[in-house]
Amino acid sequence: KNEVEQSPQNLTAQEGEFITINCSYSVGISALHWLQQHPGGGIVSLFMLSSGKKKHGRLIATINIQEKHSSLHITASHPRDSAVYICAAHTPGAQKLVFGQGTRLTINP
Amino acid sequence: KAGVTQTPRYLIKTRGQQVTLSCSPISGHRSVSWYQQTPGQGLQFLFEYFSETQRNKGNFPGRFSGRQFSNSRSEMNVSTLELGDSALYLCASRRDTQTSYEQYFGPGTRLTVT
Repeated sequence: KNEVEQSPQNLTAQEGEFITINCSYSVGISALHWLQQHPGGGIVSLFMLSSGKKKHGRLIATINIQEKHSSLHITASHPRDSAVYICAAHTPGAQKLVFGQGTRLTINP
Repeated sequence: KAGVTQTPRYLIKTRGQQVTLSCSPISGHRSVSWYQQTPGQGLQFLFEYFSETQRNKGNFPGRFSGRQFSNSRSEMNVSTLELGDSALYLCASRRDTQTSYEQYFGPGTRLTVT
């Protein structure tokens, strides 16, 4: 079993829909990252969370430390949101990122 | 402030050759981490350098090595290339204070081994 599991692996939705991507982890964390990767490879850090909730524009990330679970929500989704979304656990001590397998999101117009 | 830069962006090598990839972190960032991304294995941690010292290492064979210079720029080297080394290699930098976990990724170097 992977230390960081994401679901779903693939998600296709229509423009305007509310999107939720889930991430569960089994390791201890210092922080949890949500990353976005567009075709071509570049990775952008969307959020870094150690507790609670963060919001940036149409994106919201939440984390429940007790349940070892985080969610990324996209409101009013748009075709430009189509990308791979990756959650990554920053492990204490070892100071490294452990990645989920990614969720490929496709938003159709 | 300039972002993380990686050179070259694309590289084609032949099996058995060696390759060196370069990463320049954001100014003031002292930690540089390297990651390998393949379709089969996803993103995997290679190693992290801080103040010219390797601080952490992932589960990769000794053919993968790296170093960091006094200006925090880092290089990674892969010797005796194998077909399976074809991947996107990403580096990321961070400031590395006790509470600074945010990483900034470079655009990656796409290595193809033929």
